[in-house]
Amino acid sequence: DAKTTQPTSMDCAEGRAANLPCNHSTISGNEYVYWYRQIHSQGPQYIIHGLKNNETNEMASLIITEDRKSSTLILPHATLRDTAVYYCIVRVARNNAGNMLTFGGGTRLMVKP
Amino acid sequence: SAVISQKPSRDICQRGTSLTIQCQVDSQVTMMFWYRQQPGQSLTLIATANQGSEATYESGFVIDKFPISRPNLTFSTLTVSNMSPEDSSIYLCSVEGTFQEETQYFGPGTRLLVL
Repeated sequence: DAKTTQPTSMDCAEGRAANLPCNHSTISGNEYVYWYRQIHSQGPQYIIHGLKNNETNEMASLIITEDRKSSTLILPHATLRDTAVYYCIVRVARNNAGNMLTFGGGTRLMVKP
Repeated sequence: SAVISQKPSRDICQRGTSLTIQCQVDSQVTMMFWYRQQPGQSLTLIATANQGSEATYESGFVIDKFPISRPNLTFSTLTVSNMSPEDSSIYLCSVEGTFQEETQYFGPGTRLLVL
């Protein structure tokens, strides 16, 4: 399974962009990068995912490097409610067993006023 | 995405007893999963709940301790058996295959404290 490496914690000023990096240097060609966040022990919330191309939705943007060995999640205008643990995950497809999500330690993002 | 509910949302149990956690989805899904999150830790996959057959357990988890049922495409239960304080965790179900998507969505979790 591809592993991911994320900084343990980051701070961001309210209203500024939060850029959360993730390294996944052993990712395989057909494996997707997924991002989830968990706010204070609630269930993880899906944010965005991508394969090769950059992606954007109403929550965030995902920038994947051309070699796919790293990615960055961008929250364009962070608010206090974005304070959470952010997980970068490489999704592994398993025959007849669904997709495997292996959660690492994540990045604890603190958005400050 | 689908709406996922879990019951109970939290419970305090005595050691040696068992607790069954329910996961209900408002639409049919292909896959259902159960995760555990121990205090201060990340999520760990316990098993995949298979409809009509035995669950598929990950390394370190066994059916006798965590029996799982999945009678249909919208419902699953996880039982934590013969509990000890080490079983104090948040237990989460997730689903995949709603509206033909492969993204996993998570329920709100069940907070379990074993005394």
